[in-house]
Amino acid sequence: GAVVSQHPSRVICKSGTSVKIECRSLDFQATTMFWYRQFPKQSLMLMATSNEGSKATYEQGVEKDKFLINHASLTLSTLTVTSAHPEDSSFYICSARVGGITPPNNEQFFGPGTRLTVL
Amino acid sequence: QKEVEQNSGPLSVPEGAIASLNCTYSDRVSQSFFWYRQYSGKSPELIMSIYSNGDKEDGRFTAQLNKASQYVSLLIRDSQPSDSATYLCAVNMPYGQNFVFGPGTRLSVLP
Repeated sequence: GAVVSQHPSRVICKSGTSVKIECRSLDFQATTMFWYRQFPKQSLMLMATSNEGSKATYEQGVEKDKFLINHASLTLSTLTVTSAHPEDSSFYICSARVGGITPPNNEQFFGPGTRLTVL
Repeated sequence: QKEVEQNSGPLSVPEGAIASLNCTYSDRVSQSFFWYRQYSGKSPELIMSIYSNGDKEDGRFTAQLNKASQYVSLLIRDSQPSDSATYLCAVNMPYGQNFVFGPGTRLSVLP
């Protein structure tokens, strides 16, 4: 399958700082990337859909000014958690879609995730 | 009614048995269906995609789709302890770009 990387894999920061997470599609171009958050023992929660060259679409309840998403190229999307607080501590996972929204080839491939701990 | 439903489990099966994981979805016109495996503390990994009614086999895994019943399942033959994980069913709803994930079924394969 297609390979998606994320960096960093783990970050610990102080409350009030900003953290940037990178998501890269390594062997394909991804017009659409997705950002999820997952709390322990809970389901994946979609935060936003990111399309290359346009503004991200945020899910209801996700603060777009707090979670800044930039999809500057077909292989890179970034998520910046601004003014992080302890309640933002979570597992952040990106995914990228190989093709369009219609089948086949509309699978999503996930990055390895970034574990954020805010002290 | 939730869009994608799965039994949360845990589903326990002995090593070597067949594990059967089920998923139902609400939108009759959904076209794409996926099974992901997620180990504890890791991100989801795509196992199977299925688009047409019937069975699709890949190694020890078989996905089964029945659009009339709005039902998709995953069978794991010769289950191994390494198959112990949470299995997520995902459905691509026709009106949106993204998948809708079920809550996942936790599978435990006992040695």
